[in-house]
Amino acid sequence: GAGVSQSPRYKVAKRGQDVALRCDPISGHVSLFWYQQALGQGPEFLTYFQNEAQLDKSGLPSDRFFAERPEGSVSTLKIQRTQQEDSAVYLCASSSRGRLGGYTFGSGTRLTVV
Amino acid sequence: GDSVTQMEGPVTLSEEAFLTINCTYTATGYPSLFWYVQYPGEGLQLLLKATKADDKGSNKGFEATYRKETTSFHLEKGSVQVSDSAVYFCALSPAGTASKLTFGTGTRLQVTL
Repeated sequence: GAGVSQSPRYKVAKRGQDVALRCDPISGHVSLFWYQQALGQGPEFLTYFQNEAQLDKSGLPSDRFFAERPEGSVSTLKIQRTQQEDSAVYLCASSSRGRLGGYTFGSGTRLTVV
Repeated sequence: GDSVTQMEGPVTLSEEAFLTINCTYTATGYPSLFWYVQYPGEGLQLLLKATKADDKGSNKGFEATYRKETTSFHLEKGSVQVSDSAVYFCALSPAGTASKLTFGTGTRLQVTL
């Protein structure tokens, strides 16, 4: 597609519920990133894929967070047993390999845990 | 580890005023530096970038110069418009890779008539 598409745009979850956030990157973009942006803060890195390989997951805050990209295109970020501190905007970005700064961000999914 | 520090906002300016948003960084080697902008209700957009010392990135009247000696990448615009009202994020990534970005906390700019 023309841009990075994320769904849903908004998600309200009850505490303890599992959620799945989807990212559809730009076609052909090898690299895919997930970021978490808390209210009033800058985005914080969560995890990075190159094709289907998850090369860096150092930013995932706990083992309740899991990301996958099984076919090297669409990615899903899953959060199990959501907690209130998980409330944030989750941003996905994709990039052409080797293209410095060519990150394109999606509009994000705003997750609110109540 | 890598870090980015940018001036706290909000910054409120009248239209046609001069804008400076300060950004300094801590990183090993020669990272690439970026400014991203987030307009209300929209996603992050790349505004400009610089990949080596003394490079100047520019776009839409905005400029920033990569200063290795002061580890800075200050954003400037000579004459702001109401439409420039947004949140501006300074960011860096390690040199030579399409690696993760480290962002500052963002600076909100509000331009009034």
